[in-house]
Amino acid sequence: QQQVKQSPQSLIVQKGGISIINCAYENTAFDYFPWYQQFPGKGPALLIAIRPDVSEKKEGRFTISFNKSAKQFSLHIMDSQPGDSATYFCAARLSGTYKYIFGTGTRLKVLA
Amino acid sequence: DAGVIQSPRHEVTEMGQEVTLRCKPISGHNSLFWYRQTMMRGLELLIYFNNNVPIDDSGMPEDRFSAKMPNASFSTLKIQPSEPRDSAVYFCASSAARDRNTEAFFGQGTRLTVV
Repeated sequence: QQQVKQSPQSLIVQKGGISIINCAYENTAFDYFPWYQQFPGKGPALLIAIRPDVSEKKEGRFTISFNKSAKQFSLHIMDSQPGDSATYFCAARLSGTYKYIFGTGTRLKVLA
Repeated sequence: DAGVIQSPRHEVTEMGQEVTLRCKPISGHNSLFWYRQTMMRGLELLIYFNNNVPIDDSGMPEDRFSAKMPNASFSTLKIQPSEPRDSAVYFCASSAARDRNTEAFFGQGTRLTVV
């Protein structure tokens, strides 16, 4: 099964709060897990990514947590800001290929 | 660098017409990807090229879809004949692909509406 299931579909967070987006997969033949951020009218842009041999990666306010045994990974946005309001996609790359399977996206709105 | 450039930004066409979407990748990038984005199916990879050669076109939905990359600085995605269910945002992305971890940069997309 080459699906990546993403939740929630939409998320509203107060400024300064923590935004958490979750993804789960079934196929174990994925070797790279990026998160993309997309603003209206723009293409997706790489935000942060993780390999399956690492359990956590942090870049500024953005953290990926990866649970290999549970086949789950999540994006945490600390101190969420209105400028973070966007759609976020998780993705997983099939091993040995350039092919990414994307989640269905989470529309995040951070209230000022 | 201007980034990945796609044209047109918006396209409205009648069912049955031919549609051609265009992409100029970032100079020096040797991999190019075409994606389709819809509310129902999210982002789907249609085809990708490496060094102008199509490597994987398994995502191309039907024979009505074709893609070409005649040189390193230009690619087209053609739909002939177009159908209303082809309405979507089509993205082109490119990467340097020195190794598979190199980031893919997306263009701003072409919003296609088939009426």
